[in-house]
Amino acid sequence: DAGVTQSPTHLIKTRGQHVTLRCSPISGHKSVSWYQQVLGQGPQFIFQYYEKEERGRGNFPDRFSARQFPNYSSELNVNALLLGDSALYLCASRVDRGPPANYGYTFGSGTRLTVV
Amino acid sequence: AQSVSQHNHHVILSEAASLELGCNYSYGGTVNLFWYVQYPGQHLQLLLKYFSGDPLVKGIKGFEAEFIKSKFSFNLRKPSVQWSDTAEYFCAVNTPYSGNTPLVFGKGTRLSVIA
Repeated sequence: DAGVTQSPTHLIKTRGQHVTLRCSPISGHKSVSWYQQVLGQGPQFIFQYYEKEERGRGNFPDRFSARQFPNYSSELNVNALLLGDSALYLCASRVDRGPPANYGYTFGSGTRLTVV
Repeated sequence: AQSVSQHNHHVILSEAASLELGCNYSYGGTVNLFWYVQYPGQHLQLLLKYFSGDPLVKGIKGFEAEFIKSKFSFNLRKPSVQWSDTAEYFCAVNTPYSGNTPLVFGKGTRLSVIA
């Protein structure tokens, strides 16, 4: 059973450019979340989607947007890139049925974005 | 708003030493608690989680954590560490309302195990 897959694994962009990151959740997982992990920090929540609807948004500027597709895969878009957007972007998918004790977030390996 | 504090930024231990990593959270209501591990170059992996019931939770690879509600703590322990435990450890919390809120992570503790 495939885990959470993210693409690309590494990306270098220049300031002002736009970037799209992709995530495929574990089969059967309908919830996808995006996190940003800056070096030396814990992951920070960006977005959560469930059944193609946005269910939560973290404290990030409007340059960050996301969407979820009918097959539950997701894209994270960042416009007008800044140097400070350099980070590891993590996608997590989650079970949303059954007892709450079964709920758990499974993370992908992330996309390392470097803005120069 | 919830927050998580991990007081130890970097811990260095010798093999076979005992480990305890501190985690405190700030939220007065019901919480779910998690410990994740990130080995060098790898993705975040769930070590253990607490939702309800027995406050002493056992996870993978010999790790355990104890939820002490009165202290808002969820410390991670292992009786005897191995070199392969060298990694970054993250404590996280969310609340079991509205379909579970997003995870709030601490800043992480880097564990270095030396021979």
